[in-house]
Amino acid sequence: QLVESGGTLVQPGGSLRLSCAVSGFNVRSNYMNWVRRAPGKGLEWVSVIYSGGTTDYADSVKGRFNLTRDNSKNTLYLQMSSLTDEDTAVYYCARGLNGFYAMDVWGQGTTVTVSS
Amino acid sequence: EIVLTQSPGTLSLSPGESATLSCRASQNLSSSYLVWYHLKPGQAPRLLIYGAFRRATGIPDRFSGRGSGTDFTLTISRLEPEDFAVYYCQHFSRSPPLNTFGQGTKLEIK
Repeated sequence: QLVESGGTLVQPGGSLRLSCAVSGFNVRSNYMNWVRRAPGKGLEWVSVIYSGGTTDYADSVKGRFNLTRDNSKNTLYLQMSSLTDEDTAVYYCARGLNGFYAMDVWGQGTTVTVSS
Repeated sequence: EIVLTQSPGTLSLSPGESATLSCRASQNLSSSYLVWYHLKPGQAPRLLIYGAFRRATGIPDRFSGRGSGTDFTLTISRLEPEDFAVYYCQHFSRSPPLNTFGQGTKLEIK
């Protein structure tokens, strides 16, 4: 199970940290992703952290977002900075299906609204 | 950068009918990297098909995926009320690191 939290209203230029609490499996055992859906738009992949700790980011967030994990808490964190209204979205945490290219377990999402 | 174009944008069908959703890539893809999800309002996205044709756990055999190269399809036979949702295809890439989604096809009840 994946439970996201931390979404809220934040001003443009601000920062926010999202959390994804993982239960039922070890957060290190799978590659883990964040995906977002802006209002009225489709899904957009944001970031991934692989089992070995390597991270990748979409160009739209590179340099502004940082994905980490706390193995002792079995939790993922997405640190977001220099936020703009284009970052307004529901943010989903999703587990990668090992051995395949797919995301097989998803959280319910947490809503980030960037507005003054 | 690979672009995925889904069609149609909206598909209006009745329960019991069959749906065929298309996902066209701007360049050849390995079928191993093509995935389908659906998303219902207020719910989390759900994995349906991965590797172009493998059904995810718990997905009924009414759902089938096929395709290769640039053209992929998701077929849903004998539509049930819970099938009406927005469907997305996705392509995974590690080089460059970009996991592209199509813009979605809305499957609505006619």
